[in-house]
Amino acid sequence: DGGITQSPKYLFRKEGQNVTLSCEQNLNHDAMYWYRQDPGQGLRLIYYSQIVNDFQKGDIAEGYSVSREKKESFPLTVTSAQKNPTAFYLCASTRRGGGAGTEAFFGQGTRLTVV
Amino acid sequence: GDSVTQMEGPVTLSEEAFLTINCTYTATGYPSLFWYVQYPGEGLQLLLKATKADDKGSNKGFEATYRKETTSFHLEKGSVQVSDSAVYFCALIDREYGNKLVFGAGTILRVKS
Repeated sequence: DGGITQSPKYLFRKEGQNVTLSCEQNLNHDAMYWYRQDPGQGLRLIYYSQIVNDFQKGDIAEGYSVSREKKESFPLTVTSAQKNPTAFYLCASTRRGGGAGTEAFFGQGTRLTVV
Repeated sequence: GDSVTQMEGPVTLSEEAFLTINCTYTATGYPSLFWYVQYPGEGLQLLLKATKADDKGSNKGFEATYRKETTSFHLEKGSVQVSDSAVYFCALIDREYGNKLVFGAGTILRVKS
């Protein structure tokens, strides 16, 4: 079955460490997105990518980095510059030119905690 | 830029009550509109969608109509169940302008038996 896989489900980071969250999709989607969700809050866009080797900053990109070397993969690195990284991270994908009603599909999320 | 505004929650209802969650949007182009649902500790699942004015999306008893004149996409259900308790997100994607997927803040729904 096609879908989006995020790993790991739970991740613990020490102060000052960089960590990378994985997002893989086998839906043949061009566009991929990373969102951050804090308790009781909505989704805030970190980065998004419309095509391989290209990506754009979202609303809260500071302290994060991404790469898009393959269509299927869009890893997110939470760097030590991100002062408050504890949150639930969601990855999504959608077809870029798939027509007006093409919805986004989401992974199950990664819960990152700073220890 | 594009934005989505939802009514604040939490919304607390008794089982079989009528549900309305308001959603309005601002967009540069002609966006597609979506409602997503999130259960605790999980990702988001598509609930329903609409792609053009006056379209009605529906699924599992939920409905929403794309109202271009009022830039709204309110979610309704005639009779809620305890299992409908979740967080509901209104969203848009504007394919003419960067294909950015924009979400509202989410509305928590709690249904009591």
